[in-house]
Amino acid sequence: EAGVTQSPTHLIKTRGQQVTLRCSPISGHTSVYWYQQALGLGLQFLLWYDEGEERNRGNFPPRFSGRQFPNYSSELNVNALELEDSALYLCASSGDVYEQYFGPGTRLTVT
Amino acid sequence: RKEVEQDPGPFNVPEGATVAFNCTYSNSASQSFFWYRQDCRKEPKLLMSVYSSGNEDGRFTAQLNRASQYISLLIRDSKLSDSATYLCVVNVGTGGFKTIFGAGTRLFVKA
Repeated sequence: EAGVTQSPTHLIKTRGQQVTLRCSPISGHTSVYWYQQALGLGLQFLLWYDEGEERNRGNFPPRFSGRQFPNYSSELNVNALELEDSALYLCASSGDVYEQYFGPGTRLTVT
Repeated sequence: RKEVEQDPGPFNVPEGATVAFNCTYSNSASQSFFWYRQDCRKEPKLLMSVYSSGNEDGRFTAQLNRASQYISLLIRDSKLSDSATYLCVVNVGTGGFKTIFGAGTRLFVKA
């Protein structure tokens, strides 16, 4: 069974630019979660989508947004990039039971 | 006070040792509990869910004490491959819950 996939693997952007990260959940999973992990720090909850709806969001500014498509894949958009947005962005998916399975992440560097 | 607290370690143990990790959570509305492991610069991997009755998976045993708001993970007969960061994870709230990750406990198992 294929796991959670994310694209791209790495990304380098300039401050002020916008970025879109993509995630495909495990087949049959309807929930997608996004997290930010800055270097040396813990995972910070960003967003949770289920059945196409945003269910909850963490303490991040509105320039972090996303959506979930009918096929349950998801995008995370970050506008007006700042240097401190440099981090590993992880996507996870879950099914009926709230066990989350993670993708390999997208490493974003903002210069 | 952090919502999920773990001893940061590191724990340095010899192969074959038994090691215990503790985690406390502050929100009594916490509903589900998990242990993940994360290897350096990799995504977290689900180790086990934690149930009130306690659960065991091979060398790993997890316990939950709701009254004390405390979760534990016991690893018996440590292997070199157990070296990783162990993350305590709590889903807080019902319906639109938030997933809170502890900062993790580093474990080094030495030959």
